[in-house]
Amino acid sequence: AQSVTQPDIHITVSEGASLELRCNYSYGATPYLFWYVQSPGQGLQLLLKYFSGDTLVQGIKGFEAEFKRSQSSFNLRKPSVHWSDAAEYFCAVVGGSARQLTFGSGTQLTVLP
Amino acid sequence: DAGVIQSPRHEVTEMGQEVTLRCKPISGHDYLFWYRQTMMRGLELLIYFNNNVPIDDSGMPEDRFSAKMPNASFSTLKIQPSEPRDSAVYFCASSSKGRYEQYFGPGTRLTVT
Repeated sequence: AQSVTQPDIHITVSEGASLELRCNYSYGATPYLFWYVQSPGQGLQLLLKYFSGDTLVQGIKGFEAEFKRSQSSFNLRKPSVHWSDAAEYFCAVVGGSARQLTFGSGTQLTVLP
Repeated sequence: DAGVIQSPRHEVTEMGQEVTLRCKPISGHDYLFWYRQTMMRGLELLIYFNNNVPIDDSGMPEDRFSAKMPNASFSTLKIQPSEPRDSAVYFCASSSKGRYEQYFGPGTRLTVT
C-alpha cells in the first residue's frame, strides 16, 4: 500500500526567505505525486504534479518540487516566500491502477513579516 | 470554467437529523470523490465514483452514510441520522479519465450539535 509522510507539522519562515517542505512516499513503482495547498476555509488547490520525465517540476505561485527516487522524496520549494503563502500544504501520491489519492498529514506554514 | 461546486457551504444541524450534501463536478470529468477532513484524522476518502457508478466505498464510516450519483453532473452524500462526531469539513473532488490529479470543491463545513 502507498503512504506519504510529511515530517514537519508546522514550519515558520520570514517573508522573503526560502522554503522547503519535505515529503517522503512509500510505493513500489514510480508513483504519481502531487502538492496541494489549502488556505483557511478553502478547498485544496493543486500546486504541481509529477508523473514522469524531468524530475524538477514547476507549479503555480512560484513553487517547484524535485522528485528523488533514491530518497523516495518529493520536496516542495520556493525561493522567496510571500505572506500570502501562509497556508497548509499537503503532499499526495497515487500509484498503479488506483485512482485514490493518499495524502500526507499536512504541513502548516506560518510566514512572519 | 466553473470548478467543483458544493452546497451548502455551511450546515448546522441537531443530532438525529438527516443531512444532505451536494456536489457538481467539473463538466466532462468522469471520476468523483468524497472526502472528509477532521483535525484528528486528516483527509479521508469516503467513496468514489466512475461514470456515476460507486467503485470503492470502503471509507464510508457507517451505514448512516450513503452516497449517490444519479447523473454525471450531480452527487449527494447523505448522513441519516447525524451525530456530533460527524462534524467535519466534507470535500468533493473530480478528475478526468486518463488524468490522476483531482480538483477540489470549497467544501461543506458540517456542525452537528
